[in-house]
Amino acid sequence: QQQVKQSPQSLIVQKGGISIINCAYENTAFDYFPWYQQFPGKGPALLIAIRPDVSEKKEGRFTISFNKSAKQFSLHIMDSQPGDSATYFCAASEGQGSARQLTFGSGTQLTVLP
Amino acid sequence: NAGVTQTPKFRILKIGQSMTLQCAQDMNHNYMYWYRQDPGMGLKLIYYSVGAGITDKGEVPNGYNVSRSTTEDFPLRLLSAAPSQTSVYFCASSYSRGSSGNTIYFGEGSWLTVV
Repeated sequence: QQQVKQSPQSLIVQKGGISIINCAYENTAFDYFPWYQQFPGKGPALLIAIRPDVSEKKEGRFTISFNKSAKQFSLHIMDSQPGDSATYFCAASEGQGSARQLTFGSGTQLTVLP
Repeated sequence: NAGVTQTPKFRILKIGQSMTLQCAQDMNHNYMYWYRQDPGMGLKLIYYSVGAGITDKGEVPNGYNVSRSTTEDFPLRLLSAAPSQTSVYFCASSYSRGSSGNTIYFGEGSWLTVV
């Protein structure tokens, strides 16, 4: 069964600190790796995504690092803010142009203390 | 644009009852999905559709049914509610192809409790 393993389950960071969430996958056919952010009572929303042809992608304070040989990718949140407190899901899928059947990690609940 | 709209937001069902979760999107997306979210388990795909009249099973389809008669609507039916179906259900949609097809838009969820 295709799996994406995510850690840690929960993370507490001080304001201004760096939050790091890690994911590992098994299926080498995965070609798209998004991160979703979910606030309480809301649906997940796409935060940032990467394809395996690059090792890093940065958007503002959010960076994905990708290690194809290790089959791992991680989300780094620089200068973490209380407004970043949410649950973060990594995901993976395969198949360009086809229905995105995302396989999700189990989620990380991030709390940023003021 | 409203995006992806789900109803109801909350529902309590008795074991054996059936019900339909409604989902509509106004983004003219071809692809639509139903996921369920259990605590600490991430999201699991129940069913998906690549267009009107076409549906297919996801990872956890047992106990559910779907239909897609229009591009906009993708209802999920619980056939005979069981406690194991207590969960949060998310409907989602995306474009059919290209780089835009990478983004899946989720509704706000439907909280279902089976007692």
